[in-house]
Amino acid sequence: GEDVEQSLFLSVREGDSSVINCTYTDSSSTYLYWYKQEPGAGLQLLTYIFSNMDMKQDQRLTVLLNKKDKHLSLRIADTQTGDSAIYFCAEFPSNTGKLIFGQGTTLQVKP
Amino acid sequence: DAGVTQSPTHLIKTRGQHVTLRCSPISGHKSVSWYQQVLGQGPQFIFQYYEKEERGRGNFPDRFSARQFPNYSSELNVNALLLGDSALYLCASSLVGSTDTQYFGPGTRLTVL
Repeated sequence: GEDVEQSLFLSVREGDSSVINCTYTDSSSTYLYWYKQEPGAGLQLLTYIFSNMDMKQDQRLTVLLNKKDKHLSLRIADTQTGDSAIYFCAEFPSNTGKLIFGQGTTLQVKP
Repeated sequence: DAGVTQSPTHLIKTRGQHVTLRCSPISGHKSVSWYQQVLGQGPQFIFQYYEKEERGRGNFPDRFSARQFPNYSSELNVNALLLGDSALYLCASSLVGSTDTQYFGPGTRLTVL
């Protein structure tokens, strides 16, 4: 089946690290994605990881993939107030052309 | 370079009416996908078009239809609107259809009264 699960809410203090977790079900997914959505806006691609990788680092963002457990995480280092948004994890089942999204994690960053 | 553009930004309709939403992909991209995002949820896949042909369809009723034009822009049409069609409609473009990263536009906020 196709299902992506995320925790709904995370609150951190400015300067701390944030870790957003996600589980997915489709083992054929070649890529896994993280998108960011600010209020009233569309989705901004943050980063993605190829399914044969364990980790990918991109400036303040680190993505970890445990393919055996179908678990994906996004770590944001030195979290800033501008990082406050909803973060969506998405799987991309092979040859379907469609992204399957989780319900989104709202990240609240307190000053 | 311009990103994905969508029009209109906001739209208010009444039940039973129909609506047409428009999307222009990133220059050079040949595939357009449509998603519906109901408030508080993640986006749900509606359609994907590549080279003017439908390549995928989500679990939406026949009231939803779409097409892609020779310049790769796309329209999403929804007939006989229901209150439950109120949502943010997102368009995403990619180079080709089934394997490439999708880049999203700002969306069209549809309110059905």
